[in-house]
Amino acid sequence: KAGVTQTPRYLIKTRGQQVTLSCSPISGHRSVSWYQQTPGQGLQFLFEYFSETQRNKGNFPGRFSGRQFSNSRSEMNVSTLELGDSALYLCASSLGQGADTGELFFGEGSRLTVL
Amino acid sequence: DQQVKQNSPSLSVQEGRISILNCDYTNSMFDYFLWYKKYPAEGPTFLISISSIKDKNEDGRFTVFLNKSAKHLSLHIVPSQPGDSAVYFCAASGWGKFQFGAGTQVVVTP
Repeated sequence: KAGVTQTPRYLIKTRGQQVTLSCSPISGHRSVSWYQQTPGQGLQFLFEYFSETQRNKGNFPGRFSGRQFSNSRSEMNVSTLELGDSALYLCASSLGQGADTGELFFGEGSRLTVL
Repeated sequence: DQQVKQNSPSLSVQEGRISILNCDYTNSMFDYFLWYKKYPAEGPTFLISISSIKDKNEDGRFTVFLNKSAKHLSLHIVPSQPGDSAVYFCAASGWGKFQFGAGTQVVVTP
């Protein structure tokens, strides 16, 4: 079956702009979580959605937001972009709520560069 | 706050030798631990996991050891192969929390 699909794969924005990233989970998976990867910082948890509801949220400012649709697809939005937002944004899906089922399946990520 | 720590950012090992990756955690509520492997330009892929009721789990060349009293886990890869060169992330989950370590870059040299 198809894996987790993230679009776009690469994008370049300038400071102050906003960006929307999309994630389609594995068919049948109802949980989608988002992570930010920067060099030396590992994978920083942004938020998790299950059945269209945000279940967990990491320590990121309110400029970072997300949502999940009824078909489990998810989007995350970053407004008023800053240089430090340049990172690889990874989406992961799981059958149940990720924190309890343990195993996450990741997409290839969206590489955001902020100039 | 960072509750899962991988203190070695990089590890170089000769092909055929053992690679040992370490991970420490601070939250005793974590009860399930996982290792993910990540190649450049790809998302992380699940490698192996261990529940807190066990102290060892083996899958082929990969073995994960858990020391609950020390809040420490390790991943052993033996023998190491060139294709094992990647970044390895330790992760811990439990009670609604799921956290990754910063990762260890493993380079396997011929």
